[in-house]
Amino acid sequence: GAGVSQSPRYKVAKRGQDVALRCDPISGHVSLFWYQQALGQGPEFLTYFQNEAQLDKSGLPSDRFFAERPEGSVSTLKIQRTQQEDSAVYLCASSLTWSSGNEQFFGPGTRLTVL
Amino acid sequence: AQTVTQSQPEMSVQEAETVTLSCTYDTSENNYYLFWYKQPPSRQMILVIRQEAYKQQNATENRFSVNFQKAAKSFSLKISDSQLGDTAMYFCALMDSNYQLIWGAGTKLIIKP
Repeated sequence: GAGVSQSPRYKVAKRGQDVALRCDPISGHVSLFWYQQALGQGPEFLTYFQNEAQLDKSGLPSDRFFAERPEGSVSTLKIQRTQQEDSAVYLCASSLTWSSGNEQFFGPGTRLTVL
Repeated sequence: AQTVTQSQPEMSVQEAETVTLSCTYDTSENNYYLFWYKQPPSRQMILVIRQEAYKQQNATENRFSVNFQKAAKSFSLKISDSQLGDTAMYFCALMDSNYQLIWGAGTKLIIKP
């Protein structure tokens, strides 16, 4: 594929449900990032992978949030027992290498609404 | 802790005019990168321009240029000859050695015909 893709684009969940958000990075990109963007705000860092290794998960808001990238390509962000405050757009980005300063290429995001 | 501040929630200019978006930041590191990203309505985030902190020369990309003032920790974006397609949210972001992007709250830019 030409760019980063995310699925689903929209997800509505009832409070307490588990959700899984998928990210397909650009082929060959080593680094993968997840961000949370609340309505009207800038994105906030959640977690970062270099290949299959999760190097930083300091931004995950609670232990209900879990991310994985088992084969170093596709990544899944899982949210257990969703709460209304989890409603946001979840952005995935990838970059070619792990070098600081590299451009991050973003997907279209998954808009999660928790009722 | 690193912070990025964008003090202009919304701006609007006429097509073909020049507009400057403001950004200030705070970091204790000497080596870092600054970015401006554009997020058009219902479309994905794309990079506009990037500046390396150790380079004194201001970055330029066609109609887009920055005024990087390291001592003042200021990083403004100038858009010349603005076009209707420039209408978007613009985010200033800082990246340090942790590879995290720290983002400002964004400026909504409207280009009027």
